[in-house]
Amino acid sequence: QKEVEQDPGPLSVPEGAIVSLNCTYSNSAFQYFMWYRQYSRKGPELLMYTYSSGNKEDGRFTAQVDKSSKYISLFIRDSQPSDSATYLCATDTGFQKLVFGTGTRLLVSP
Amino acid sequence: GAVVSQHPSWVICKSGTSVKIECRSLDFQATTMFWYRQFPKQSLMLMATSNEGSKATYEQGVEKDKFLINHASLTLSTLTVTSAHPEDSSFYICSASQGLAKDTQYFGPGTRLTVL
Repeated sequence: QKEVEQDPGPLSVPEGAIVSLNCTYSNSAFQYFMWYRQYSRKGPELLMYTYSSGNKEDGRFTAQVDKSSKYISLFIRDSQPSDSATYLCATDTGFQKLVFGTGTRLLVSP
Repeated sequence: GAVVSQHPSWVICKSGTSVKIECRSLDFQATTMFWYRQFPKQSLMLMATSNEGSKATYEQGVEKDKFLINHASLTLSTLTVTSAHPEDSSFYICSASQGLAKDTQYFGPGTRLTVL
């Protein structure tokens, strides 16, 4: 079983839609969860991270962790064409060593 | 903001040759640098962790004699792929950490290696 699993998509939505991206993880000891955005042939860019369970909001982005079900979510409100990218969830396994999901490719059409 | 660069951005080489990839933190000193590999439509996989002046720590399954890592200064780490083969063709990404906080790890733009 992979440590972090993520649907690769692609996920296509119209501009203005609410996007829900999800991951599951296997190890209940994981505490820190990150969401990265990666444009084609570029390095990942950190969007936000959360610790343990709960929600964290930053502008149009909300990250949510449900430790009871080992489920991680990223919601994007009022999606824009510029949000089109691959979104990677990740967890810190210790000492900043990150384990990534495969990434979900998001396409926001005008 | 913190910037990490990689050089070259892409490289094509013949099978059996060695290739060196540089990772630099441009505006901060990196206590730790990480090297990842990403195959098409797959996740980033951590290859190794390096601290300045110390030997790199390799993840299970990564051949340390094939992927040589040197972290000579707080702003520069290099990855050398020795005797490259077509199966080594991949996207290599480094990251540099400015501290221990979870939002202080910054990724480079990646290097695409193609081995013919």
